[in-house]
Amino acid sequence: GEDVEQSLFLSVREGDSSVINCTYTDSSSTYLYWYKQEPGAGLQLLTYIFSNMDMKQDQRLTVLLNKKDKHLSLRIADTQTGDSAIYFCAGPHSGGYQKVTFGTGTKLQVIP
Amino acid sequence: NAGVTQTPKFRVLKTGQSMTLLCAQDMNHEYMYWYRQDPGMGLRLIHYSVGEGTTAKGEVPDGYNVSRLKKQNFLLGLESAAPSQTSVYFCASSYLTEDRKLFFGSGTQLSVL
Repeated sequence: GEDVEQSLFLSVREGDSSVINCTYTDSSSTYLYWYKQEPGAGLQLLTYIFSNMDMKQDQRLTVLLNKKDKHLSLRIADTQTGDSAIYFCAGPHSGGYQKVTFGTGTKLQVIP
Repeated sequence: NAGVTQTPKFRVLKTGQSMTLLCAQDMNHEYMYWYRQDPGMGLRLIHYSVGEGTTAKGEVPDGYNVSRLKKQNFLLGLESAAPSQTSVYFCASSYLTEDRKLFFGSGTQLSVL
């Protein structure tokens, strides 16, 4: 199956950039995703990247994909207190395209 | 549109009791999923469905059953609850497209005493 690994915690100061990293094992992954979970809420799709891309930018968010190293990162520019949340990396499960496998999540704490 | 709605939001059970969690989506999605979220373990897939009348096992199906009698609803049942099933349960749904973008409900916090 798909193993998706992330660090558990990241703390940054407001205004700085945040970089959340993820590694995955399934090289056949077509789409890779970043989801955001705010306290007490469900997950929301933040952004996603197709495996034939190296980078995708969406306003303050930049996704970088290194297929050789199976490494995915999410950069948040000018991090705000409202960005405090848990961020999940996810990808299709090797056991079936219908399934999505999630990492453990990285809790981002933004210090004012 | 309501999106994905889960009921109830909170529930406390005693060991051995049964209950059903309901998930309803109004986006005409073909796929529906049940996940559980535990600290430090991310989300783990319990069961999923690729269409009305069909269900399949995920990573952690033991102790749970599901049914999808209508396209818009996906039920998760616990026949005999155990403390190990204390968790936050999330339902999600998606279209039948290659990009498996999931839409999540707000979750059900279940405690089994």
